[in-house]
Amino acid sequence: GAVVSQHPSRVICKSGTSVKIECRSLDFQATTMFWYRQFPKKSLMLMATSNEGSKATYEQGVEKDKFLINHASLTLSTLTVTSAHPEDSSFYICSARDLGQGAYEQYFGPGTRLTVT
Amino acid sequence: AQSVSQHNHHVILSEAASLELGCNYSYGGTVNLFWYVQYPGQHLQLLLKYFSGDPLVKGIKGFEAEFIKSKFSFNLRKPSVQWSDTAEYFCAVNKWSGGGADGLTFGKGTHLIIQP
Repeated sequence: GAVVSQHPSRVICKSGTSVKIECRSLDFQATTMFWYRQFPKKSLMLMATSNEGSKATYEQGVEKDKFLINHASLTLSTLTVTSAHPEDSSFYICSARDLGQGAYEQYFGPGTRLTVT
Repeated sequence: AQSVSQHNHHVILSEAASLELGCNYSYGGTVNLFWYVQYPGQHLQLLLKYFSGDPLVKGIKGFEAEFIKSKFSFNLRKPSVQWSDTAEYFCAVNKWSGGGADGLTFGKGTHLIIQP
Protein backbone atom coordinates (compact mmCIF):
# COMPACT_ATOMS: atom_id res chain seq x y z
CA GLY A 1 0.00 0.00 0.00
CA ALA A 2 0.83 3.72 0.13
CA VAL A 3 2.00 4.06 -3.43
CA VAL A 4 2.57 7.42 -5.05
CA SER A 5 3.13 7.75 -8.76
CA GLN A 6 4.41 10.60 -10.88
CA HIS A 7 3.98 11.25 -14.55
CA PRO A 8 5.98 11.73 -16.61
CA SER A 9 9.17 10.23 -15.23
CA ARG A 10 11.27 12.26 -17.63
CA VAL A 11 10.48 15.26 -19.78
CA ILE A 12 12.53 17.45 -22.07
CA CYS A 13 11.08 20.75 -23.14
CA LYS A 14 12.19 23.87 -24.89
CA SER A 15 12.82 27.11 -23.11
CA GLY A 16 9.67 29.20 -22.83
CA THR A 17 7.22 26.32 -22.84
CA SER A 18 5.21 24.98 -19.91
CA VAL A 19 5.36 21.51 -18.45
CA LYS A 20 2.83 19.76 -16.25
CA ILE A 21 3.83 17.06 -13.78
CA GLU A 22 1.22 14.84 -12.13
CA CYS A 23 1.39 13.29 -8.69
CA ARG A 24 -1.12 10.60 -7.76
CA SER A 25 -1.76 8.64 -4.60
CA LEU A 26 -2.82 5.25 -5.91
CA ASP A 27 -4.28 3.49 -2.92
CA PHE A 28 -5.01 6.13 -0.34
CA GLN A 29 -6.52 9.57 -0.03
CA ALA A 30 -4.23 12.52 0.35
CA THR A 31 -5.68 15.86 1.35
CA THR A 32 -2.15 17.18 1.43
CA MET A 33 0.67 16.66 -1.00
CA PHE A 34 4.12 18.22 -1.02
CA TRP A 35 6.37 19.21 -3.88
CA TYR A 36 10.13 19.06 -3.56
CA ARG A 37 13.00 19.90 -5.83
CA GLN A 38 16.29 18.04 -5.83
CA PHE A 39 19.32 19.57 -7.49
CA PRO A 40 22.20 17.32 -8.63
CA LYS A 41 24.15 16.07 -5.65
CA LYS A 42 22.03 18.23 -3.37
CA SER A 43 19.34 17.62 -0.89
CA LEU A 44 15.63 17.95 -1.39
CA MET A 45 14.09 21.35 -0.94
CA LEU A 46 10.45 21.76 -0.07
CA MET A 47 8.80 23.98 -2.67
CA ALA A 48 5.17 24.02 -1.64
CA THR A 49 2.38 22.34 0.22
CA SER A 50 -0.63 21.42 -1.87
CA ASN A 51 -3.99 21.15 -0.15
CA GLU A 52 -7.01 19.61 -1.83
CA GLY A 53 -9.57 22.24 -2.71
CA SER A 54 -7.53 25.24 -1.64
CA LYS A 55 -4.54 27.27 -2.70
CA ALA A 56 -1.07 25.89 -2.28
CA THR A 57 1.30 27.28 0.31
CA TYR A 58 4.69 28.15 -1.12
CA GLU A 59 8.00 28.20 0.69
CA GLN A 60 9.99 31.38 0.83
CA GLY A 61 11.79 32.08 -2.41
CA VAL A 62 9.57 29.86 -4.58
CA GLU A 63 7.70 31.79 -7.28
CA LYS A 64 4.05 30.81 -7.16
CA ASP A 65 3.38 32.22 -10.61
CA LYS A 66 6.13 30.09 -12.08
CA PHE A 67 5.30 26.88 -10.28
CA LEU A 68 1.54 26.49 -10.46
CA ILE A 69 0.05 23.85 -8.22
CA ASN A 70 -3.43 22.43 -8.50
CA HIS A 71 -4.81 19.84 -6.10
CA ALA A 72 -8.17 19.09 -7.64
CA SER A 73 -8.94 15.78 -5.97
CA LEU A 74 -7.93 13.64 -3.02
CA THR A 75 -5.61 11.61 -5.21
CA LEU A 76 -4.13 14.08 -7.67
CA SER A 77 -1.91 17.13 -7.49
CA THR A 78 -0.26 18.76 -10.48
CA LEU A 79 2.76 21.02 -10.73
CA THR A 80 3.04 23.17 -13.83
CA VAL A 81 6.36 24.81 -14.55
CA THR A 82 5.43 27.83 -16.62
CA SER A 83 7.71 29.47 -19.15
CA ALA A 84 10.45 27.03 -18.29
CA HIS A 85 14.09 28.05 -18.48
CA PRO A 86 17.26 25.95 -18.31
CA GLU A 87 17.72 26.85 -14.65
CA ASP A 88 14.42 25.07 -13.94
CA SER A 89 16.02 21.81 -14.97
CA SER A 90 15.89 19.60 -11.93
CA PHE A 91 14.41 16.52 -10.33
CA TYR A 92 10.94 17.21 -8.99
CA ILE A 93 9.56 14.88 -6.35
CA CYS A 94 6.14 14.82 -4.78
CA SER A 95 4.96 13.21 -1.60
CA ALA A 96 1.50 12.55 -0.28
CA ARG A 97 0.33 12.53 3.30
CA ASP A 98 -1.92 9.61 4.14
CA LEU A 99 -5.00 10.91 5.89
CA GLY A 100 -5.82 7.43 7.05
CA GLN A 101 -2.54 7.04 8.89
CA GLY A 102 -3.13 9.96 11.17
CA ALA A 103 -1.48 12.37 8.77
CA TYR A 104 1.98 11.73 10.22
CA GLU A 105 3.66 10.01 7.34
CA GLN A 106 4.22 11.04 3.79
CA TYR A 107 5.03 8.75 0.92
CA PHE A 108 7.26 9.78 -1.94
CA GLY A 109 6.78 9.43 -5.63
CA PRO A 110 9.61 8.29 -7.92
CA GLY A 111 10.30 11.80 -9.18
CA THR A 112 10.26 13.57 -12.53
CA ARG A 113 13.44 14.59 -14.29
CA LEU A 114 12.87 17.89 -16.11
CA THR A 115 15.39 19.08 -18.67
CA VAL A 116 14.85 22.46 -20.28
CA THR A 117 16.86 23.06 -23.45
CA ALA B 1 12.78 28.06 10.69
CA GLN B 2 14.02 24.57 11.27
CA SER B 3 17.22 23.23 9.75
CA VAL B 4 18.96 19.87 9.57
CA SER B 5 22.69 19.33 9.57
CA GLN B 6 24.38 16.13 8.45
CA HIS B 7 28.03 16.14 9.36
CA ASN B 8 29.39 13.55 6.99
CA HIS B 9 28.93 14.27 3.31
CA HIS B 10 30.91 11.31 2.06
CA VAL B 11 31.63 8.13 3.98
CA ILE B 12 33.57 5.14 2.71
CA LEU B 13 33.54 1.91 4.70
CA SER B 14 34.46 -1.69 4.20
CA GLU B 15 31.87 -4.42 4.44
CA ALA B 16 31.11 -5.53 8.00
CA ALA B 17 32.27 -2.21 9.45
CA SER B 18 29.98 -0.36 11.82
CA LEU B 19 28.23 2.78 10.66
CA GLU B 20 27.13 5.92 12.39
CA LEU B 21 25.85 8.94 10.49
CA GLY B 22 25.33 12.13 12.41
CA CYS B 23 22.25 14.32 12.19
CA ASN B 24 21.44 17.42 14.20
CA TYR B 25 18.42 19.62 13.85
CA SER B 26 17.52 23.06 15.07
CA TYR B 27 14.00 23.65 16.22
CA GLY B 28 12.72 24.37 19.67
CA GLY B 29 9.39 22.64 19.47
CA THR B 30 8.18 19.09 19.03
CA VAL B 31 9.45 17.48 15.86
CA ASN B 32 9.14 14.25 13.96
CA LEU B 33 12.42 12.78 12.75
CA PHE B 34 13.16 10.59 9.76
CA TRP B 35 15.95 8.88 7.91
CA TYR B 36 15.47 8.19 4.22
CA VAL B 37 17.66 6.26 1.82
CA GLN B 38 17.99 6.78 -1.90
CA TYR B 39 19.66 3.96 -3.81
CA PRO B 40 21.21 4.83 -7.16
CA GLY B 41 18.49 5.50 -9.69
CA GLN B 42 15.70 4.87 -7.23
CA HIS B 43 13.31 7.01 -5.27
CA LEU B 44 13.37 7.86 -1.59
CA GLN B 45 12.58 5.08 0.84
CA LEU B 46 11.85 5.49 4.51
CA LEU B 47 14.41 3.75 6.74
CA LEU B 48 12.94 4.71 10.09
CA LYS B 49 11.04 7.40 11.90
CA TYR B 50 10.58 8.85 15.36
CA PHE B 51 7.38 10.51 16.48
CA SER B 52 7.34 9.87 20.23
CA GLY B 53 8.06 7.21 22.85
CA ASP B 54 11.19 5.08 22.96
CA PRO B 55 14.03 7.26 21.64
CA LEU B 56 15.80 4.24 20.18
CA VAL B 57 14.00 3.32 17.00
CA LYS B 58 14.61 0.38 14.76
CA GLY B 59 14.06 0.52 11.06
CA ILE B 60 14.36 -1.66 8.04
CA LYS B 61 17.51 -3.45 6.86
CA GLY B 62 19.08 -3.51 10.30
CA PHE B 63 19.27 0.26 10.76
CA GLU B 64 18.48 2.03 14.00
CA ALA B 65 18.60 5.59 15.24
CA GLU B 66 18.63 7.25 18.63
CA PHE B 67 16.86 10.48 19.40
CA ILE B 68 18.73 12.52 22.01
CA LYS B 69 16.56 15.51 22.74
CA SER B 70 19.16 17.36 24.80
CA LYS B 71 21.59 17.21 21.88
CA PHE B 72 19.00 17.80 19.16
CA SER B 73 20.43 14.74 17.49
CA PHE B 74 19.08 11.73 15.63
CA ASN B 75 22.07 9.65 14.55
CA LEU B 76 21.70 6.65 12.30
CA ARG B 77 23.55 3.43 13.09
CA LYS B 78 24.10 0.00 11.69
CA PRO B 79 26.41 -2.51 13.37
CA SER B 80 27.60 -4.23 10.21
CA VAL B 81 27.20 -2.70 6.77
CA GLN B 82 26.84 -4.54 3.50
CA TRP B 83 27.84 -3.62 -0.03
CA SER B 84 24.14 -3.16 -0.82
CA ASP B 85 23.97 -0.29 1.68
CA THR B 86 25.78 1.94 -0.79
CA ALA B 87 23.37 4.83 -1.24
CA GLU B 88 22.55 8.41 -0.31
CA TYR B 89 21.14 8.88 3.19
CA PHE B 90 19.02 11.82 4.21
CA CYS B 91 17.98 12.94 7.65
CA ALA B 92 14.74 14.92 7.73
CA VAL B 93 12.52 16.66 10.22
CA ASN B 94 9.05 18.10 10.28
CA LYS B 95 6.65 19.40 12.83
CA TRP B 96 3.00 19.02 13.48
CA SER B 97 0.74 21.92 12.67
CA GLY B 98 -2.94 22.18 11.97
CA GLY B 99 -4.32 19.00 10.48
CA GLY B 100 -1.13 17.07 10.13
CA ALA B 101 2.60 17.00 9.80
CA ASP B 102 4.29 19.66 7.68
CA GLY B 103 6.53 19.17 4.72
CA LEU B 104 9.99 17.87 5.46
CA THR B 105 13.19 19.77 5.94
CA PHE B 106 16.07 17.64 4.71
CA GLY B 107 19.73 17.57 5.51
CA LYS B 108 22.20 17.75 2.63
CA GLY B 109 22.64 14.01 2.60
CA THR B 110 25.48 11.59 3.17
CA HIS B 111 26.87 9.60 0.29
CA LEU B 112 27.81 6.20 1.67
CA ILE B 113 30.06 3.87 -0.28
CA ILE B 114 30.65 0.34 0.96
CA GLN B 115 33.69 -1.38 -0.44
CA PRO B 116 33.55 -5.15 -0.79
